Amino acid sequence: DIQMTQSPSSVSASVGDRVTITCRATQGIGTWLAWYQQKPGKAPKLLIYAASSLQSGVPSRFSGSGSGTDFTLTINSLQPEDFATYYCQQASTFPWGFTFGPGTKVVVK
Amino acid sequence: QVQLQESGPGLVKPSQTLSLTCNVSGGSVSGDNHYWSWIRQPAGKGLEWIGRIHSSGTTNYNPSLKSRVNIFIDTSKNQFALKLTAVTAADTAVYYCARYGAHAGGWYSDNWGQGTLVTVSS
Repeated sequence: DIQMTQSPSSVSASVGDRVTITCRATQGIGTWLAWYQQKPGKAPKLLIYAASSLQSGVPSRFSGSGSGTDFTLTINSLQPEDFATYYCQQASTFPWGFTFGPGTKVVVK
Repeated sequence: QVQLQESGPGLVKPSQTLSLTCNVSGGSVSGDNHYWSWIRQPAGKGLEWIGRIHSSGTTNYNPSLKSRVNIFIDTSKNQFALKLTAVTAADTAVYYCARYGAHAGGWYSDNWGQGTLVTVSS
């Protein structure tokens, strides 16, 4: 199986800060990685696909990078609406499926 | 625009079978190159991928749930469904259905249902 890990599990930040979240896969997945944002009581929202491609309609302050086993989501100039939980998900057709990372919660400092 | 809507009992007794359906509108569950997935989220916890079915009928399941899960497509109703057997309190969660499309060799979802809470309790 592929396992996904994320760090940190929680990050405290202020509006205007740059926030960086890391995701690691236990084996190489190329660039088959997505980042989702989830707010309480809502379904996840796709932010980044193929590790670094910005989903249509998502603000450009969100960016993704990485390949293989190590990936990063960066939020530049954090906005009030960005306080949420962020999940990475491996996106290959490996038979063990679309595994999610455990999530990173961005909270107000 | 494709829309997904989960439906099913909100309360299931322990040891029984959890059955949910996802109604798809604005697209075909069997005619397009998509994966249709179920994901769940216990209260206050992270997302757990349950399984997927391709529009061709191929299925894959989370290894930790594989022995209890079945996902299938009902083309006559343009729905796909989840059956989870022998449920326990640990299966209490919000259950989401989602559609995954192919981009750059991978599979990504920008279509999710709103989620439905299923509680396992006697």
